[in-house]
Amino acid sequence: NAGVTQTPKFRILKIGQSMTLQCTQDMNHNYMYWYRQDPGMGLKLIYYSVGAGITDKGEVPNGYNVSRSTTEDFPLRLELAAPSQTSVYFCASSYTGGGPGAGNTGELFFGEGSRLTVL
Amino acid sequence: KNEVEQSPQNLTAQEGEFITINCSYSVGISALHWLQQHPGGGIVSLFMLSSGKKKHGRLIATINIQEKHSSLHITASHPRDSAVYICAVTLGYGNKLVFGAGTILRVKS
Repeated sequence: NAGVTQTPKFRILKIGQSMTLQCTQDMNHNYMYWYRQDPGMGLKLIYYSVGAGITDKGEVPNGYNVSRSTTEDFPLRLELAAPSQTSVYFCASSYTGGGPGAGNTGELFFGEGSRLTVL
Repeated sequence: KNEVEQSPQNLTAQEGEFITINCSYSVGISALHWLQQHPGGGIVSLFMLSSGKKKHGRLIATINIQEKHSSLHITASHPRDSAVYICAVTLGYGNKLVFGAGTILRVKS
């Protein structure tokens, strides 16, 4: 099992450029998350999904978009990159058997992170 | 006030010492997670708790639901335990996780 795979690991963007961070998991997890981690700060939730076709905003969704067309994939799109989006991004997944309203009580699995710099 | 508070923020210990990291939360939760992040590295789940106590090797995690408090203990600490330890809670309503700011642990040999 590959677990949670994120690409790319590193990327430098110019202001105004667009890009997509890819995230794939092969564990058939229903929950998937995107977080950003700024230096010295805790993880902040950008978007999450409780299953294919269902996404919802987290704490810091502005400037990002997501989609969840399959159980495995949860890409994060930056449409107009800004310096404030310079950060390390983590994708995570977990499984809970209680359905969308049950709350995530499954063990978390993280990708290795993607370091994004916007200049 | 953050919903999840960790203490201490930074901790330096000598190899072999017993270490405790604390996590307090102010909201209703359905689960609490302890995570480990090595410098420049990814994040690994250590424990997921909804009650009581769990042990894995030299690591022990406890939670007191009434007091809204959890502790992570490391026995016989080793330099390879040096990492950031993060507490996160699954809110009792909805499906969101809230993270503490992390505790930076350095174990010196």
